[in-house]
Amino acid sequence: DTGVSQNPRHKITKRGQNVTFRCDPISEHNRLYWYRQTLGQGPEFLTYFQNEAQLEKSRLLSDRFSAERPKGSFSTLEIQRTEQGDSAMYLCASSLGWDTRAVAEAFFGQGTRLTVV
Amino acid sequence: EDKVVQSPLSLVVHEGDTVTLNCSYEVTNFRSLLWYKQEKKAPTFLFMLTSSGIEKKSGRLSSILDKKELSSILNITATQTGDSAIYLCAVEGGGETSGSRLTFGEGTQLTVNP
Repeated sequence: DTGVSQNPRHKITKRGQNVTFRCDPISEHNRLYWYRQTLGQGPEFLTYFQNEAQLEKSRLLSDRFSAERPKGSFSTLEIQRTEQGDSAMYLCASSLGWDTRAVAEAFFGQGTRLTVV
Repeated sequence: EDKVVQSPLSLVVHEGDTVTLNCSYEVTNFRSLLWYKQEKKAPTFLFMLTSSGIEKKSGRLSSILDKKELSSILNITATQTGDSAIYLCAVEGGGETSGSRLTFGEGTQLTVNP
């Protein structure tokens, strides 16, 4: 386990289809974060988990988006009825603990690039 | 709503030049300011600053936080082509219910030409 792993790396889907992304955090990291990054912008916070509990969701996370972390290990992010505006890089990060240093040094995965056509 | 603004958005320099990147923020209950470097994919952590006036240094990179002015700068001296990347500024803050999420700026795209 050398880092945060995200799958797939790229996803092209037709508008209206559902997509699911997976994130495998670094082993024993209890915090897991999802961010979305569009071209020319910094990452935007979507949601985060402390173990299996989803502690916060951004209002960016509409009812078409849902995230789970059923056993406190890997997480999935599902987008239903995709729209072209959902095209972005979806980044996952994990950290051990919740103090400021741990949050700052959260390790990011390589991201899943979603293109909705 | 927390807000982070970076400037310039884009910068092109020659190898050996010194650059200064700026970051200003508005955040509730400031906890820390962070700098990241993003090349092709994932952001990588550079610095974390929590106190004003304390300069963080790592080789040719250094950063200072000014909590009075709600801003920070990132300096890179003797730039190299390998410094070409997007530099992201982020702040950690928010109320008791906001947890530990980060608010990122748009980033500064730095291009160092040989």
